Amino acid sequence: GAVVSQHPSRVICKSGTSVKIECRSLDFQATTMFWYRQFPKKSLMLMATSNEGSKATYEQGVEKDKFLINHASLTLSTLTVTSAHPEDSSFYICSALDYFNTDTQYFGPGTRLTVL
Amino acid sequence: DAKTTQPNSMESNEEEPVHLPCNHSTISGTDYIHWYRQLPSQGPEYVIHGLTSNVNNRMASLAIAEDRKSSTLILHRATLRDAAVYYCILRGLSGGSNYKLTFGKGTLLTVNP
Repeated sequence: GAVVSQHPSRVICKSGTSVKIECRSLDFQATTMFWYRQFPKKSLMLMATSNEGSKATYEQGVEKDKFLINHASLTLSTLTVTSAHPEDSSFYICSALDYFNTDTQYFGPGTRLTVL
Repeated sequence: DAKTTQPNSMESNEEEPVHLPCNHSTISGTDYIHWYRQLPSQGPEYVIHGLTSNVNNRMASLAIAEDRKSSTLILHRATLRDAAVYYCILRGLSGGSNYKLTFGKGTLLTVNP
């Protein structure tokens, strides 16, 4: 099956620093990728939709200047949490749509961000 | 977005069948019914999806009511590895924002040995 990787799997940073999370589709081309955030014991919340070569579409209430998304190639999207604060600590998960099979979203394993 | 309603939790015994219900009374004619599951500390995993007819794959079966206002995910023989949160999600036919998945609270399935 299709595989999506995320890097890093876990990151701890100081308040005020920026953190970049990578999401890669390993064996398929993904014209569309999605970024989710999940707080403990809560469901996934969609943050933004990322289309290759164009600006991301952010969900209501998500600050686009704080969560920078870049989808520069068909296999890579990045999420940068700028000036991170403790309330940004969460589980960040990406997913990707196979260009040739858009029925299924393939999810990455997630990145655990802890901001001290 | 059309919403779904699922029980918060269900319990099953190992090697017994599990029927996970989902109500979606406001489903539109072009909404597909998708099921994903999430194991602890992992990203969600696709399980199955369907439109009108019942569907089977190696993981599960999906039974869709004739009026499409409800569906049931069937795990034929539950294993301990099936313990997860199961999400029933409606997704539009195609294009742009229709590909978005809106996750509800899902059903936490516990499998007893």
